[in-house]
Amino acid sequence: QKEVEQNSGPLSVPEGAIASLNCTYSDRVSQSFFWYRQYSGKSPELIMSIYSNGDKEDGRFTAQLNKASQYVSLLIRDSQPSDSATYLCAVFPNAGNNRKLIWGLGTSLAVNP
Amino acid sequence: GAVVSQHPSWVICKSGTSVKIECRSLDFQATTMFWYRQFPKQSLMLMATSNEGSKATYEQGVEKDKFLINHASLTLSTLTVTSAHPEDSSFYICSARVLLTGSYNSPLHFGNGTRLTVT
Repeated sequence: QKEVEQNSGPLSVPEGAIASLNCTYSDRVSQSFFWYRQYSGKSPELIMSIYSNGDKEDGRFTAQLNKASQYVSLLIRDSQPSDSATYLCAVFPNAGNNRKLIWGLGTSLAVNP
Repeated sequence: GAVVSQHPSWVICKSGTSVKIECRSLDFQATTMFWYRQFPKQSLMLMATSNEGSKATYEQGVEKDKFLINHASLTLSTLTVTSAHPEDSSFYICSARVLLTGSYNSPLHFGNGTRLTVT
């Protein structure tokens, strides 16, 4: 079982719509969750960090965390073509000696004008 | 804040030569830096964890003698690809974290990456 799972997509949404990206994780004691955006040929850039259950909003982006169900999601409101990228979910496990950031494989988002 | 600078952004070298990539944390100190590699259309692969003042920790399958890591200061880590071959051609990305107090973990901040092409 993969530790962090994402639907690879592609997820295609029209411009102006809400894009919903989902991520599930297996380590129940995880405490730190991150969403990154990666454009083709570029390095990942941090969009959101979330640590507590509930919603966290930053501009057009909202991260949602549900630790009981072990999922974290990212909503992008008023999607723009410039949002077209791969979105990576990353989780920092809270236990164990080898505490590396665990990455999902990413969801490809295409926003159509 | 939390800016990571990586240099060079791209390099082309001949097979058999060595290439050094620098990673600097510009506005914070990083006792630990992380080196990733990404092949086209594939996911990020952690190569090694660079520890200031001590030996790097390499992931399984990564040759430590081929990918030399030096983390001599709190703001600089270098990755040297020795005796590069065409199969080493890839996108190499470094990252670092600002350490937080408490139980939460801060995110990784990435450099812009180095695209290595070995001919």
